[in-house]
Amino acid sequence: DAKTTQPPSMDCAEGRAANLPCNHSTISGNEYVYWYRQIHSQGPQYIIHGLKNNETNEMASLIITEDRKSSTLILPHATLRDTAVYYCIVLTTGNQFYFGTGTSLTVIP
Amino acid sequence: EAEVAQSPRYKITEKSQAVAFWCDPISGHATLYWYRQILGQGPELLVQFQDESVVDDSQLPKDRFSAERLKGVDSTLKIQPAELGDSAMYLCASKRESNYNEQFFGPGTRLTVL
Repeated sequence: DAKTTQPPSMDCAEGRAANLPCNHSTISGNEYVYWYRQIHSQGPQYIIHGLKNNETNEMASLIITEDRKSSTLILPHATLRDTAVYYCIVLTTGNQFYFGTGTSLTVIP
Repeated sequence: EAEVAQSPRYKITEKSQAVAFWCDPISGHATLYWYRQILGQGPELLVQFQDESVVDDSQLPKDRFSAERLKGVDSTLKIQPAELGDSAMYLCASKRESNYNEQFFGPGTRLTVL
C-alpha cells in the first residue's frame, strides 16, 4: 500500500499562501493523490485530487512533481477558517483511502 | 446539498456493554465505508461495503465488531462488548459508482468507553 509522509505541523500567516508538502515515493502509476482536511471534531472534507497534472479548484491548487513521488497542496490566501489537519492520501486500486497522521496547519492572525 | 448522516453524535458507555452506530449514506451511493479515528491519528478503515456486500473487512476486529448493510442503503456498526480501547471517533463515508472517487464523510460518532 502506498504510504504518505507529511510534516506533523505548520504555521501560516493569515492572508499568505500555505504550502503543505507530501511525500508518496511508493505511489504506483495509476494511483491518485487526494487531499482532505479535518476541522476539529468534524468529518474529513474533500479538497482536491490529481494523478499527474497540476490541478486547481476554488479551494486550492495541487502541484504534483513529474516523477509523482511528492506533491504540494497550496492554499493561496489562508484564512483562520483554514486551521485544520490536512491529509495527503493515495487512493489504492481497491478504492480505499489510507490516511496518515496528516499536517496540523495553524493560521495565525 | 446531500450529506452523510450518522447517529448518535456522542455515545458514552461502560466497558462490556454493547453499542451500535448508524449511518445513512448519500442517496445513490453504492459504496460505504466505516472508519475508526483514535485521537491524534488519521482515520483507519474498518470495513468497506459495495451495496449490501462486504468488500473488505480485513481490519475489522471480528471478535467484537460487526457491520451490516442489509438493504444496501443504511448501515450499522456494532461493538459487543465494548472495551476501553474502543474509545474513538467512528466515521462513515460513502461514494457513488463512477470514475470520480471522492468519499463524502459524515460528522462521526464520538464513543467514550468508561
